[in-house]
Amino acid sequence: DAGVTQSPTHLIKTRGQQVTLRCSPKSGHDTVSWYQQALGQGPQFIFQYYEEEERQRGNFPDRFSGHQFPNYSSELNVNALLLGDSALYLCASSLNPGAQETQYFGPGTRLLVL
Amino acid sequence: QQQVKQSPQSLIVQKGGISIINCAYENTAFDYFPWYQQFPGKGPALLIAIRPDVSEKKEGRFTISFNKSAKQFSLHIMDSQPGDSATYFCAASTTGANNLFFGTGTRLTVIP
Repeated sequence: DAGVTQSPTHLIKTRGQQVTLRCSPKSGHDTVSWYQQALGQGPQFIFQYYEEEERQRGNFPDRFSGHQFPNYSSELNVNALLLGDSALYLCASSLNPGAQETQYFGPGTRLLVL
Repeated sequence: QQQVKQSPQSLIVQKGGISIINCAYENTAFDYFPWYQQFPGKGPALLIAIRPDVSEKKEGRFTISFNKSAKQFSLHIMDSQPGDSATYFCAASTTGANNLFFGTGTRLTVIP
């Protein structure tokens, strides 16, 4: 049973560019959440997708957007990259968004913005 | 502002000792409190979780103690082992909202 997978593992971009990160949820899961983890900090919630719609959003600007596909996989897009966007981006999957089911995290994509 | 405050930032424990990590929260709507373990290069993995209707939950060497009136909860790792060396995060969420608010993490080192 495959767990949560994310691609790519590492990415280097320059300021102003756009980036797309991808996530495949654990088998059987229908809800995907994205988190940003800055170096030495805890993960911070960006947004959550369920039934191909954004259901919840954390305190992140509109430069951060996402998408969920019919197969439950998800993308995180960040436009107009800033140096401060450098972080580990984590995807977490779960079943049933409102039931506080266990969230399973992927290994993350490490983004470096130069 | 940080919704969940975690301490200490780092912890060094001898093998066989007890590791204790503390967290505090302000939002009384929080009703689910998980602890996550993260190894370098990996995503966080759920270790143990508690809801406020109980004051303690034990799973193997890991115990969560919960004090609702003080709005504090802690993780105790008994008989700490070198393999427990990792970063530990406490977190909290509310019913109907599955987004987790994480603490800043505790880097645990268990010395053989």
